[in-house]
Amino acid sequence: DTAVSQTPKYLVTQMGNDKSIKCEQNLGHDTMYWYKQDSKKFLKIMFSYNNKELIINETVPNRFSPKSPDKAHLNLHINSLELGDSAVYFCASSQLAGSTDTQYFGPGTRLTVL
Amino acid sequence: AQTVTQSQPEMSVQEAETVTLSCTYDTSENNYYLFWYKQPPSRQMILVIRQEAYKQQNATENRFSVNFQKAAKSFSLKISDSQLGDTAMYFCATSQGGGGADGLTFGKGTHLIIQP
Repeated sequence: DTAVSQTPKYLVTQMGNDKSIKCEQNLGHDTMYWYKQDSKKFLKIMFSYNNKELIINETVPNRFSPKSPDKAHLNLHINSLELGDSAVYFCASSQLAGSTDTQYFGPGTRLTVL
Repeated sequence: AQTVTQSQPEMSVQEAETVTLSCTYDTSENNYYLFWYKQPPSRQMILVIRQEAYKQQNATENRFSVNFQKAAKSFSLKISDSQLGDTAMYFCATSQGGGGADGLTFGKGTHLIIQP
C-alpha cells in the first residue's frame, strides 16, 4: 500500500494555465507538506498544513495555494503558470504528536511549463 | 533560521568500498532532528537514517551509520560495503523538533556514484 501518493506524476502544460496536483496519505498523519525541487535538485519547503491550518508559508507566490479537504489530503493549486514554475513538487506527511519529525514523501510530480 | 551545508557535490567509489558523506548544519534550536534522505534516479525520497540531537549514541541502520558531533554541528553519513543500488543523490536535512510543523531544511545534496 502506498503511504503518500501524488497525482499526476507528470504534468506538461502551457504558460498561463491553472493546474492542480493532488496528494493523499494513508498513514494517519496530522501534518502534510509541499516541497519544490528545482533543476539543481535543491529542495525547499513551500507549505505545511496541520489540522487544516496553514502553519508556514515561505516566500511562495500567491499563485500557489494549498487546499486540504480533510486530514488525509493536501492538494496544490497553481494559477497562471509561469516558466519558472517548472520543477518537481513533492508532497510529504508527518505525525507531530510524539514527533520524531520524520517526514514521508510522495513520489513527486514533475511539472513542465512550456 | 537553519542552514545545512553539504560540501561534496559528487563522489565516486568502487563497489564494496566504504564512503563517508559530510554534512554540517547550523541551528539555534536545542531540540532538533537530523536526517539523511536518499533520492535514486526514480526520484523517490527515501529516509536512510535519523538522529535525535539529544542522543549521544550515533544512529545505525544496517550498512548505514552516522558520526554525529553536536558541538561541531557535524552529521556525516558512512556507507559500508557500498552496493550499486546505493548510487543516488543523498540529502542531509534538519528539522526544528519539539513538535513544530516547520518543514525540513535540506542541504544541496551529494551525488554518490558506486562504480562496478
